[in-house]
Amino acid sequence: DTEVTQTPKHLVMGMTNKKSLKCEQHMGHRAMYWYKQKAKKPPELMFVYSYEKLSINESVPSRFSPECPNSSLLNLHLHALQPEDSALYLCASSQTGSGGFYEQYFGPGTRLTVT
Amino acid sequence: GQNIDQPTEMTATEGAIVQINCTYQTSGFNGLFWYQQHAGEAPTFLSYNVLDGLEEKGRFSSFLSRSKGYSYLLLKELQMKDSASYLCAVRAPATGAGSYQLTFGKGTKLSVIP
Repeated sequence: DTEVTQTPKHLVMGMTNKKSLKCEQHMGHRAMYWYKQKAKKPPELMFVYSYEKLSINESVPSRFSPECPNSSLLNLHLHALQPEDSALYLCASSQTGSGGFYEQYFGPGTRLTVT
Repeated sequence: GQNIDQPTEMTATEGAIVQINCTYQTSGFNGLFWYQQHAGEAPTFLSYNVLDGLEEKGRFSSFLSRSKGYSYLLLKELQMKDSASYLCAVRAPATGAGSYQLTFGKGTKLSVIP
């Protein structure tokens, strides 16, 4: 199984809503990532979890709150978002450690629209 | 800091060969990836180089020179379906134990014309 799944595929939310994005992988990867991608731009790294611990937070506003409940699941909790947060949110996973081959496998993304 | 440069757009003819260049200046280096991304879809992996030289995978090849901070992706026998954005990404150590981060270039939009 080389698949990363993300739910929902599409999400429309108001600025006062609270919602969560979910990501799951069963490849035994111990590194998981959240990226944000605006139209015609490259993915921008938001968070990295390594062995279920947050190892990178790329100065992301606190209205985005990541959570890694176990080695297969990654959530992104959303609260009080702004219209400029509308984007494609990509989850990825990879093996981690020194040396070797560490391709990141991407999920299909959640298309988020904030109204 | 990380700085990755690649051309914004390229156009090539069906059946031809195209080379997409990528130059990088990064703090730390643990490999360079090329991804293909069609509009509205997630990136898909094409190739990975961590040592100098050429890696060949069917119609796609990727080259790396670490001393020059330079890579290229070579696409042969272009097909219309190769029209996509091609992202160069550098992997470098991050702060967490055993963790790495991937920094993407802005992508090169390739248009294949008949």
